[in-house]
Amino acid sequence: GEKVEQHQSTLSVREGDSAVINCTYTDTASSYFPWYKQEAGKSLHFVIDIRSNVDRKQSQRLTVLLDKKAKRFSLHITATQPEDSAIYFCAASKYQGGRALIFGTGTTVSVSP
Amino acid sequence: EAAVTQSPRNKVAVTGGKVTLSCNQTNNHNNMYWYRQDTGHGLRLIHYSYGAGSTEKGDIPDGYKASRPSQENFSLILELATPSQTSVYFCASGPGTANTEVFFGKGTRLTVV
Repeated sequence: GEKVEQHQSTLSVREGDSAVINCTYTDTASSYFPWYKQEAGKSLHFVIDIRSNVDRKQSQRLTVLLDKKAKRFSLHITATQPEDSAIYFCAASKYQGGRALIFGTGTTVSVSP
Repeated sequence: EAAVTQSPRNKVAVTGGKVTLSCNQTNNHNNMYWYRQDTGHGLRLIHYSYGAGSTEKGDIPDGYKASRPSQENFSLILELATPSQTSVYFCASGPGTANTEVFFGKGTRLTVV
């Protein structure tokens, strides 16, 4: 089955700098790649996604890049702020009647002043 | 806003006892999911459902059963709880259409002693 690897368990950045989180997946049939954010002690909420028919998607300070050839996707956060501190999870799914998301292990991002 | 409600939010169970975790969604979503979150493992899929009466095994189903008696409700059942099942459990729901956002509950912290 699909496996998603998230390569950094922690990432520390200074406020205002950029953060990049990288993920790889194994199943070439995967077509949907969302990112979720979990703030301390809270549940997960959706932040941004990308579908396999595009290789880049931007929403405000967040950009997702997808390299299907390398089976790699990444989340870029620009101009980081303290409220960006959280655990970020990447995920992958291939649509087969709504197949479930398979998640990476999470990256804890810490933004310091 | 999509609503997924889990109960109980915290539970202490004894080894060998039966535990039922409940999830209710008012989004009229077809798909529902159970994940567990453990440090170093991220979120792992236990069971999921495409609709009332259906349950499917996820990546780590051993020791767990699931029940979907209605569109709104999805339960996770531990018939014989073990300390290794101590974790935080998240329920989620999604519309089941291709590549769309999934909504998570606030989680249940289960401790098996």
